[in-house]
Amino acid sequence: AQSVTQPDIHITVSEGASLELRCNYSYGATPYLFWYVQSPGQGLQLLLKYFSGDTLVQGIKGFEAEFKRSQSSFNLRKPSVHWSDAAEYFCAVGNQAGTALIFGKGTTLSVSS
Amino acid sequence: NAGVMQNPRHLVRRRGQEARLRCSPMKGHSHVYWYRQLPEEGLKFMVYLQKENIIDESGMPKERFSAEFPKEGPSILRIQQVVRGDSAAYFCASSDSPGDNEQFFGPGTRLTVL
Repeated sequence: AQSVTQPDIHITVSEGASLELRCNYSYGATPYLFWYVQSPGQGLQLLLKYFSGDTLVQGIKGFEAEFKRSQSSFNLRKPSVHWSDAAEYFCAVGNQAGTALIFGKGTTLSVSS
Repeated sequence: NAGVMQNPRHLVRRRGQEARLRCSPMKGHSHVYWYRQLPEEGLKFMVYLQKENIIDESGMPKERFSAEFPKEGPSILRIQQVVRGDSAAYFCASSDSPGDNEQFFGPGTRLTVL
């Protein structure tokens, strides 16, 4: 069965420092992978997605993610974090039937000044 | 183009009452998905509907929960005889086609069962 693991529950990063959020997935075929961000009390906003092709994907707000099939990973990165990036980040994989997204439990990002 | 609309944003019910959550998809979208987010958990898929049809309800609890997406009007997630364990945020998403397309999420309905 497909699954998504986000090993880090909570990460604190200094403003201006680089960020990497980890995501590992379990999937038999080529996965459809997504990163979403959720601010407190809000819905989810798509940051970026990977379907095929170039394994380095650029998203909104300066985020990027790299698909590594050999490691079953899809880590999210940002070279310089801003205080407004503090939020909860969810990695997701599309299920094989194409009917649903399977989410990880999320990583809460705090940004310190 | 308005995004996905959900109402109410907050809903308080007493145990045993019914909860009705509404979702209006983005204009032009005919695919609707419902997810539930429990505290300290990620989102869990509940059901996927197209107009007048339930396509995948593999994530729906077997009892008390039902969903519909009529030809006219919003999609409705209905929870009968609510219990405290139903307290959660319920998110609706829509897309213009299934599979690899982006799902656009609404702001959610936060259900509290007293």
